[in-house]
Amino acid sequence: AAGVIQSPRHLIKEKRETATLKCYPIPRHDTVYWYQQGPGQDPQFLISFYEKMQSDKGSIPDRFSAQQFSDYHSELNMSSLELGDSALYFCASSRTGGNSPLHFGNGTRLTVT
Amino acid sequence: KQEVTQIPAALSVPEGENLVLNCSFTDSAIYNLQWFRQDPGKGLTSLLLIQSSQREQTSGRLNASLDKSSGRSTLYIAASQPGDSATYLCAVKRFGNEKLTFGTGTRLTIIP
Repeated sequence: AAGVIQSPRHLIKEKRETATLKCYPIPRHDTVYWYQQGPGQDPQFLISFYEKMQSDKGSIPDRFSAQQFSDYHSELNMSSLELGDSALYFCASSRTGGNSPLHFGNGTRLTVT
Repeated sequence: KQEVTQIPAALSVPEGENLVLNCSFTDSAIYNLQWFRQDPGKGLTSLLLIQSSQREQTSGRLNASLDKSSGRSTLYIAASQPGDSATYLCAVKRFGNEKLTFGTGTRLTIIP
């Protein structure tokens, strides 16, 4: 079965650079979520989109922005990167309906040096 | 604010034993609760989802229960195997809110 696809798998950037993470949800899933997981931490919700509109917002820094495109893929744009942004970034998708389980991608490991 | 706690943080069990992982949440107004496993440096794999109206869900050797009134859920793993070694996270979804709030996880090690 198709899963959530994230790219790239690994990304190394320097401070103050920008990064773009991509997420391709499971086909027919209309909701996309972004999570950040620091070393030894539980995943923290950043932002979600339903039908290409932002549906919920968590602890996402103002330096970050995201959008969902007409083909339902989503991109997380991160600017003015800081050392503390180094983390695993997960994308998840689900179908409409509160009891649809979230399916996560394998994540993008971002390292800021 | 919803807080989700998992105790213990780490657990080691000999292969073949049955075990129970615990999850507690402070706000009982949840829509559903989901259990995940995470292997080191990998993504989260959904194991079971329990709706707020349900008491338990089963999948193979896994059984998850939910007691909303007491703010607790358990994940029971029968006949543990070394391949079950991973971090197990529970996450709750509130009414009217898209996000999941995750617990801190239990790192499970099955000793061959």
